[in-house]
Amino acid sequence: GNSVTQMEGPVTLSEEAFLTINCTYTATGYPSLFWYVQYPGEGLQLLLKATKADDKGSNKGFEATYRKETTSFHLEKGSVQVSDSAVYFCALSSPNFGNEKLTFGTGTRLTIIP
Amino acid sequence: GAVVSQHPSWVICKSGTSVKIECRSLDFQATTMFWYRQFPKQSLMLMATSNEGSKATYEQGVEKDKFLINHASLTLSTLTVTSAHPEDSSFYICSAGDSANTGELFFGEGSRLTVL
Repeated sequence: GNSVTQMEGPVTLSEEAFLTINCTYTATGYPSLFWYVQYPGEGLQLLLKATKADDKGSNKGFEATYRKETTSFHLEKGSVQVSDSAVYFCALSSPNFGNEKLTFGTGTRLTIIP
Repeated sequence: GAVVSQHPSWVICKSGTSVKIECRSLDFQATTMFWYRQFPKQSLMLMATSNEGSKATYEQGVEKDKFLINHASLTLSTLTVTSAHPEDSSFYICSAGDSANTGELFFGEGSRLTVL
């Protein structure tokens, strides 16, 4: 079945540091890959996505590239801000199970200190 | 983006009672909504798919008589935890797909249930 493994947190960085949150997956077929972010007190929000190999999703300075050969979708940002403090979830949806059914990783809590 | 709202955001109840959690899509219609459960430091686990006007589809291992789902309208799905016990304490999250537009899933803020 489908599974997502992401970097355990919590992660604490100083402002303007470089961020990488690792995510690897196991899936049948050709899944779509997502990163969701959950700010304190809010619901999950789609941060970025990629639907096929070598696609790069980007939003708000965050990027992730769909790497089929390594089954990875690592999240990166060159210079983090305090406002980026949140929990980040990597997820996939597989056409075999319907594109709306998501399989999530465990989430990584990110804290940025000024 | 579209908004999905859950109510209540937190609830404490006694063991043996039932608790209802509502999930509403505020500015779009959702024929399908999803209910997840999240344990501390664990991933969101899909519990069931709620289909408007028909029975919910439950994931393997989820007791349908324990977690009653009703999707009576295109903007409302409810999850009722029946005869709750302390092991049902968890964070419950719903999502809804805006299939008429982008197909993107939108999530509620979550409801934290504590059963004493």
